[in-house]
Amino acid sequence: EDQVTQSPEALRLQEGESSSLNCSYTVSGLRGLFWYRQDPGKGPEFLFTLYSAGEEKEKERLKATLTKKESFLHITAPKPEDSATYLCAVRYGGATNKLIFGTGTLLAVQP
Amino acid sequence: DTGVSQDPRHKITKRGQNVTFRCDPISEHNRLYWYRQTLGQGPEFLTYFQNEAQLEKSRLLSDRFSAERPKGSFSTLEIQRTEQGDSAMYLCASSPLNTVAEQYFGPGTRLTVT
Repeated sequence: EDQVTQSPEALRLQEGESSSLNCSYTVSGLRGLFWYRQDPGKGPEFLFTLYSAGEEKEKERLKATLTKKESFLHITAPKPEDSATYLCAVRYGGATNKLIFGTGTLLAVQP
Repeated sequence: DTGVSQDPRHKITKRGQNVTFRCDPISEHNRLYWYRQTLGQGPEFLTYFQNEAQLEKSRLLSDRFSAERPKGSFSTLEIQRTEQGDSAMYLCASSPLNTVAEQYFGPGTRLTVT
């Protein structure tokens, strides 16, 4: 049962071409939605945490938003160095602290 | 470097051998997590510690897997009688005690079972 679904699986952009990545979730009692960036052969790098619908966070060319069913990671005017896999994860429920990850979106930005 | 560290970074072993991985969390973090990631997938939770207590284990963690955090600092993950299906990246993460705190990941240990 998929609780966190990311789309698209892969995205190829030209440098400067803005786009959005989607993360939809079906869990109840959301206690945090997390975005990570992962480069090949490395551990995930923390980007953002969102806690409630309507919340937005920004960092350089990235902006994350949250609704009651999904989150978007908007990439404005991407550069080749933004190429990576972007992972979405949720924490939900009462006692657990584990993160449930989606399968990620592989982003390639061509110069 | 004050981030999460893992050792070794790569391990190649033959089927049936035992392997042990080490994780050193960020020094002020009370919580430590182990995840496993296979190619094209997101990390999957294995277990987590709060200080030295192991508070949650996934059903993915078979009897061949054991994790410890004896003094509430570093942690070890041991896999006994390795199988080819154990080949994966083993990731460690840590977080402070705040219940909604983000987790910071180490570089991972890549295990290959031949």
